[in-house]
Amino acid sequence: AQKITQTQPGMFVQEKEAVTLDCTYDTSDQSYGLFWYKQPSSGEMIFLIYQGSYDEQNATEGRYSLNFQKARKSANLVISASQLGDSAMYFCAMREGRHTNAGKSTFGDGTTLTVKP
Amino acid sequence: DAGVTQSPTHLIKTRGQQVTLRCSPKSGHDTVSWYQQALGQGPQFIFQYYEEEERQRGNFPDRFSGHQFPNYSSELNVNALLLGDSALYLCASSPLENLYEQYFGPGTRLTVT
Repeated sequence: AQKITQTQPGMFVQEKEAVTLDCTYDTSDQSYGLFWYKQPSSGEMIFLIYQGSYDEQNATEGRYSLNFQKARKSANLVISASQLGDSAMYFCAMREGRHTNAGKSTFGDGTTLTVKP
Repeated sequence: DAGVTQSPTHLIKTRGQQVTLRCSPKSGHDTVSWYQQALGQGPQFIFQYYEEEERQRGNFPDRFSGHQFPNYSSELNVNALLLGDSALYLCASSPLENLYEQYFGPGTRLTVT
């Protein structure tokens, strides 16, 4: 069964510094996608970054990068140059199967990030 | 280009009542998934619809049912509401040819008293 584990309930970071949010996953499928979402207090789930299981290079999107270590089954999110607006809940998620038959997303319990001025 | 929209934004119901939540997918998307997010937890998959049929279902009782219309919009119905059904209900849409591309709506916050 697929499972996502986020072991950091809360994290603090100083503005302009980098922060790493941890995520480990468990799956028996060879094809899967890993995702990170940001959820501000308003509730909307905002897509940040995606990594496919067959991608050899780590994904990057602006200030976000995904540190993908397949053998360790980890997919940590790195946020560089933190901003006050980065304060939110962050979720790691996984979808199994290829793009056309990936049915559901499995989410971790999230990490609350607080950026200090 | 409108994103995923959901209505209503907030809802208060009494235990035992029935509720219907609505979702319009992003333009060009034909697949809709519903998630329940309890306070302080990650979203839990309820079910997914495409071609007006339920295609996958998570571990939710039959009190949770849905429907998809020809225009790809969708409804989530919950019967015999329990206090534990209080949560944020998120709708997400995807194009069938790439279910990895998933966009979420703002959610409907349901409170059962």
